[in-house]
Amino acid sequence: QVQLQESGPGLVRPSQTLSLTCIVSGGSISSGSYYWIWVRQPAGKGLEWIGRIYTSGSTNYNPSLESRVTISLDTSKNQFSLKLSSVTAADTAVYYCAREVVVGLDAFDIWGQGTMVTVSS
Amino acid sequence: DIQMTQSPSSLSASVGDRVTIACQASQDISNYLNWYQQKPGKAPTLLIFDASNLETGVPSRFSGSGSGTDFTFTISSLQPEDIATYYCQQFDNLPFTFGPGTKVGIK
Repeated sequence: QVQLQESGPGLVRPSQTLSLTCIVSGGSISSGSYYWIWVRQPAGKGLEWIGRIYTSGSTNYNPSLESRVTISLDTSKNQFSLKLSSVTAADTAVYYCAREVVVGLDAFDIWGQGTMVTVSS
Repeated sequence: DIQMTQSPSSLSASVGDRVTIACQASQDISNYLNWYQQKPGKAPTLLIFDASNLETGVPSRFSGSGSGTDFTFTISSLQPEDIATYYCQQFDNLPFTFGPGTKVGIK
């Protein structure tokens, strides 16, 4: 079965770029009708959709973050990545990668375990 | 953006009780609504898609209903393992948005 695992630094300095990778195992990232997404959750708060990338490479971003976000796909490594630039303390959160299935339903059906990222000097 | 609200924000009920959570969208989203369960320290998991369809493997005590702007999520008989926060999520328009969550506890 498909599994997702986030990886990346747990601490990022203010004004720097947050970079995370989501490794997909148990299936090809380039097959099927899926989007690959990022969601974040500040401590004790709700879920925020950051953006998504389709298997074709097309992307959609949350307008609230669009000027700072890039999501990319690396089919050779079966992974996708998130870059968030010019971070501040407000970007401190648990970051989840997930799969969005869009055939038969439209939902986030598989999630990574999440990775905590703290923005601090 | 479509705003999602949920009520109550938290509740406590006894094992075996029927639990109901309301979710409201700021505009008509047809049935483009999902429900997720998030246990403490864990990632969310999909329970209900398209407002009323049970995801494979999810116990039948969970159900959802509604369309347009008003939706309901129900646990017919609360179990100890249902302690979690429940989120509704709309996928009618980008950006996808979640409700603020309802934390369910045991009395």
